[in-house]
Amino acid sequence: DVKVTQSSRYLVKRTGEKVFLECVQDMDHENMFWYRQDPGLGLRLIYFSYDVKMKEKGDIPEGYSVSREKKERFSLILESASTNQTSMYLCASSGPGGGGIYEQYFGPGTRLTVT
Amino acid sequence: DQQVKQNSPSLSVQEGRISILNCDYTNSMFDYFLWYKKYPAEGPTFLISISSIKDKNEDGRFTVFLNKSAKHLSLHIVPSQPGDSAVYFCAASWGTGANNLFFGTGTRLTVIP
Repeated sequence: DVKVTQSSRYLVKRTGEKVFLECVQDMDHENMFWYRQDPGLGLRLIYFSYDVKMKEKGDIPEGYSVSREKKERFSLILESASTNQTSMYLCASSGPGGGGIYEQYFGPGTRLTVT
Repeated sequence: DQQVKQNSPSLSVQEGRISILNCDYTNSMFDYFLWYKKYPAEGPTFLISISSIKDKNEDGRFTVFLNKSAKHLSLHIVPSQPGDSAVYFCAASWGTGANNLFFGTGTRLTVIP
């Protein structure tokens, strides 16, 4: 079974803090993704990566950066947390297979609150 | 602007009956569609998919129907079971870029025993 783990289930940070969200997958997947989920908006793609040290912007990259130093690990960084970044953050991975990039395996999510 | 819409935020169905979850899309370039299921405190899990060259795909109790002319997708669950109670997201994609996958807002299904 593919396992995608996220470093924290719940996180509370103050405005202006630098926040690191970590994600690790154990299936040797090339593709990794960071989404945020907000009520009424579905899942929105923040950043994704096709390979180590590669990153691509998604639909809402502003205020975020990412790091992928190892294939299994994809980190999301909030450079200076703001209250509008309070959200559920979901990491996902995918690899070669029937559905390719779109059949994604998700982690349990990190609920981040910025006060 | 939402390219993938799930207009029913919630649905309640009696155990054993059919659950029908609906999804509409606006982009005629979408050629691959997926349904994900999400339990509380867990991430979404892939459920079933369909390519635009098909109009139906079945996997056990789950069937996805695609009506390209109406730009409409539906997921049928027969028979519904209490363990099916979850939030269901539809998603649509085109091409191969990760930027080309769009999710709906989800429908919360409650199956009443």
